[in-house]
Amino acid sequence: EAGVAQSPRYKIIEKRQSVAFWCNPISGHATLYWYQQILGQGPKLLIQFQNNGVVDDSQLPKDRFSAERLKGVDSTLKIQPAKLEDSAVYLCASSLPGQFNEKLFFGSGTQLSVL
Amino acid sequence: SQQGEEDPQALSIQEGENATMNCSYKTSINNLQWYRQNSGRGLVHLILIRSNEREKHSGRLRVTLDTSKKSSSLLITASRAADTASYFCAYKAAGNKLTFGGGTRVLVKP
Repeated sequence: EAGVAQSPRYKIIEKRQSVAFWCNPISGHATLYWYQQILGQGPKLLIQFQNNGVVDDSQLPKDRFSAERLKGVDSTLKIQPAKLEDSAVYLCASSLPGQFNEKLFFGSGTQLSVL
Repeated sequence: SQQGEEDPQALSIQEGENATMNCSYKTSINNLQWYRQNSGRGLVHLILIRSNEREKHSGRLRVTLDTSKKSSSLLITASRAADTASYFCAYKAAGNKLTFGGGTRVLVKP
């Protein structure tokens, strides 16, 4: 079974530039998550999709971050414009829907450095 | 902000020893999960324990849950160098998102 695919693996940009990350979840996983993990901390949920609908985006800085999941499969997360404090690893995860399918499968992440 | 607290933040042990880490949380939960993260990689699910369970085993892993104290522990027995990683607890309250703790960084020395 193929895992969660993310690209790029690394990205270095200057502040005020834009950046986009891509995620392809495990086939058949209706729920998709984007997490931000700052060095030395645990992951923080940015947005959760169920198919192509948003379930939770309460911690997404909507003035600069946006995410979409067209056709309920792949997803992109965009930052525009980036700030220094956005330097982090951006993790995508997916899971099967349903109350008892709680296990998340994570991609390897995109490490973003904002200079 | 993260609502799960993990203790200790870092742990260094010799190969063959046991490693214990604890997680505390603040709300009622449906389940609590433990994940492992190797350096530069994504998180890998280890074990899930439901609110009506008190203890669960998986290989060399043992997880306990005390809902009255809002705490959980993860025990890794007979540790190996390959167990070197960060370990995160994550809990889900009814209808809410999965919230991760700050993690425990474990170093197993050969």
